[in-house]
Amino acid sequence: AQSVTQPDIHITVSEGASLELRCNYSYGATPYLFWYVQSPGQGLQLLLKYFSGDTLVQGIKGFEAEFKRSQSSFNLRKPSVHWSDAAEYFCAVATNTGNQFYFGTGTSLTVIP
Amino acid sequence: DVKVTQSSRYLVKRTGEKVFLECVQDMDHENMFWYRQDPGLGLRLIYFSYDVKMKEKGDIPEGYSVSREKKERFSLILESASTNQTSMYLCASSSPHWDGYGYTFGSGTRLTIV
Repeated sequence: AQSVTQPDIHITVSEGASLELRCNYSYGATPYLFWYVQSPGQGLQLLLKYFSGDTLVQGIKGFEAEFKRSQSSFNLRKPSVHWSDAAEYFCAVATNTGNQFYFGTGTSLTVIP
Repeated sequence: DVKVTQSSRYLVKRTGEKVFLECVQDMDHENMFWYRQDPGLGLRLIYFSYDVKMKEKGDIPEGYSVSREKKERFSLILESASTNQTSMYLCASSSPHWDGYGYTFGSGTRLTIV
């Protein structure tokens, strides 16, 4: 069965520090992987996605993620965090038809000045 | 841009009421979804629809129903609202033709049942 695990419920980083949010997935076929961000009181916004090809993908707001098939991981990174990055982050895997997504439980990011 | 619009940002209803949450998308997407979001539980799928008049149960359909009379509109119905249905409700839509955009979400409805 498909599933997504985000092992870190909450992370706190200082502004300007680097960030890595972890995501592990379980899926039998080639995964289609996504990262979404949710600001307080808002819906989810797509940060980046991986379908195939280069395993390092770039997204909006300076985020990137690396797909590692051997580790079943799709970790999100940012070299220097800004206070406006404080939000909830969700990793998701989609079926190969794109008809249904499976979401992790999310990681809440706090940025301290 | 695809837009998914949820009719209310905040809603307060009483226990036992029949509650309607409306979602409209403007990009001719076939797929539409309703999730509820609770702290520590992430997003849980309530119902989804791949076509007009079609609906499928998600992981937590109990206490909910849906209606899809038109392609662009997907309504979530709480038949008899209870306090444990207080939550954030998110609607999403997508194309089945794998256009690469994944889901597009609405801004959410924060529903409080008192």
